[in-house]
Amino acid sequence: EAQVTQNPRYLITVTGKKLTVTCSQNMNHEYMSWYRQDPGLGLRQIYYSMNVEVTDKGDVPEGYKVSRKEKRNFPLILESPSPNQTSLYFCASSADRYNTEAFFGQGTRLTVV
Amino acid sequence: KNQVEQSPQSLIILEGKNCTLQCNYTVSPFSNLRWYKQDTGRGPVSLTIMTFSENTKSNGRYTATLDADTKQSSLHITASQLSDSASYICVVSAGSSASKIIFGSGTRLSIRP
Repeated sequence: EAQVTQNPRYLITVTGKKLTVTCSQNMNHEYMSWYRQDPGLGLRQIYYSMNVEVTDKGDVPEGYKVSRKEKRNFPLILESPSPNQTSLYFCASSADRYNTEAFFGQGTRLTVV
Repeated sequence: KNQVEQSPQSLIILEGKNCTLQCNYTVSPFSNLRWYKQDTGRGPVSLTIMTFSENTKSNGRYTATLDADTKQSSLHITASQLSDSASYICVVSAGSSASKIIFGSGTRLSIRP
């Protein structure tokens, strides 16, 4: 089954404690991206990757890092989480960034206290 | 400024009725427009993707239209079902390489029995 898998689904952590949210896709997609969704603000892109070892900033990259060492994986790293990073996070993948369907993961709800 | 505005913010209709959701955008240069359905707490699911040259596209009971001249799109839902209750998000990509992705804030649709 074609899917994008995020882990964990839920996470509560403390300010400053480094964490990683994993994202994996099984569709051999080149394009992957991370979004955060906040009430009243909708979805905003954090980072994206056009292919292995190619990443770029989206609209709200501050406080986040990503890596793309393998085509299937695109982890999101919070080196020093802060309460304003409490949000619902989604990973997505598509064959390319142009006119192909994007598949989203099931989401990770992160709370930073 | 690139913007995507959706209306109405929320809508309640009776099961079996039709409805139309609106999306207006001020994005240039236009690359493509997508409609997504997002159930509460889940990742968005792609409904349609339209490029500049397409002015209508259907996916079952969902029909999207695009008027590139007036920069307007609509999503029409026919014979609504309880499972159509969700948020519907309009997303516009801009730039020759679709490098900019702008999300609308969504329309929250509730179907009543």
